Amino acid sequence: NAGVTQTPKFRILKIGQSMTLQCTQDMNHNYMYWYRQDPGMGLKLIYYSVGAGITDKGEVPNGYNVSRSTTEDFPLRLELAAPSQTSVYFCASVAGNYNEQFFGPGTRLTVL
Amino acid sequence: GENVEQHPSTLSVQEGDSAVIKCTYSDSASNYFPWYKQELGKRPQLIIDIRSNVGEKKDQRIAVTLNKTAKHFSLHITETQPEDSAVYFCAASSSSGTYKYIFGTGTRLKVLA
Repeated sequence: NAGVTQTPKFRILKIGQSMTLQCTQDMNHNYMYWYRQDPGMGLKLIYYSVGAGITDKGEVPNGYNVSRSTTEDFPLRLELAAPSQTSVYFCASVAGNYNEQFFGPGTRLTVL
Repeated sequence: GENVEQHPSTLSVQEGDSAVIKCTYSDSASNYFPWYKQELGKRPQLIIDIRSNVGEKKDQRIAVTLNKTAKHFSLHITETQPEDSAVYFCAASSSSGTYKYIFGTGTRLKVLA
């Protein structure tokens, strides 16, 4: 199993541009999560999904959108990028019968 | 709302000494408490976890204790080594519904050789 994979690893955006951060897991996990981690800080939940077709907001959803059309994929969309969205973004998944979250390697995003 | 407080924010210890990091959670429904180690530029890695039906769990040099009544849980690292230097995060989660984690703000541990 590859586990949780994320693309791209790094990206630089200009203010106002849009992009999609990709997240895929091959463990057949129902639960998936997007976090952001600002420099020197903890992880803040952006959005989460409890299964295909079901998504909900976390602590810091403004400026982001998600979709979950399949069990495997949980893309995060940034519309009209702002400097405040400069951060490292982690995707994670949980099987559901056990709590352990598996994290992807992260995407480092800079908005200039 | 749900909250996890973590202390201290930074901790320096001499190699071979013990380190203790403490967390307090607010959601009474929380029943799963993982600890993650994050090295610079890497993803968080689970190092130990504990469920609410257990008071203590140990894995070699690391241990976690849980006090459900006080809503406290702690990470204990004994015989610290330079490679233990990293940022440590606690989290609290409920197994009912969403399995959402609420993370603490992190502790930067420095082990001085």
